[in-house]
Amino acid sequence: DTGVSQNPRHKITKRGQNVTFRCDPISEHNRLYWYRQTLGQGPEFLTYFQNEAQLEKSRLLSDRFSAERPKGSFSTLEIQRTEQGDSAMYLCASSPQGASYNEQFFGPGTRLTVL
Amino acid sequence: EDQVTQSPEALRLQEGESSSLNCSYTVSGLRGLFWYRQDPGKGPEFLFTLYSAGEEKEKERLKATLTKKESFLHITAPKPEDSATYLCAVQGGKGRRALTFGSGTRLQVQP
Repeated sequence: DTGVSQNPRHKITKRGQNVTFRCDPISEHNRLYWYRQTLGQGPEFLTYFQNEAQLEKSRLLSDRFSAERPKGSFSTLEIQRTEQGDSAMYLCASSPQGASYNEQFFGPGTRLTVL
Repeated sequence: EDQVTQSPEALRLQEGESSSLNCSYTVSGLRGLFWYRQDPGKGPEFLFTLYSAGEEKEKERLKATLTKKESFLHITAPKPEDSATYLCAVQGGKGRRALTFGSGTRLQVQP
């Protein structure tokens, strides 16, 4: 299967700890996105990369959140000093370059539980 | 600010009972309207992209339509395996790539 992969699939942490998630996009997709989804809600946009450049950031992305895509391939999302309100499913998506390629293909997500 | 409202929140159908899901939106400069299917504990699965009013797309028992203010996802003769949450999203604004999602419609199809 050559879809978007995310690791870990589940993460349980204590409040105040730092966590890092990894996303591997579909091969040759140069656009990568992070979203957050809470129970009963649709995904909320966090940030967008084109290659290694972070081009869009949501107001939801507080200073405790940082995302990187150092070589334009995989990406990491780090949350520092986690809070209980950070508990959610963190979704990664990718899309190929090209004006007509607006579709975003999602991975299985990382479920974060902050105790 | 882009907004997407989906109705109903939940829908229960008998197998074979056709129905429609609604997605109302407000967006500055629509660049695309997207439908996704999401099963519990999984990421959204892409279904359709619609770009302009009047456009229609079909896939098996699903048909998506678009007007200037809303989109419909028509489900014809649904089967239990069609049970899922259906999400609608819009992409708007020049140069923006972010999708704005609605809260979804939870569809349950009973045999």
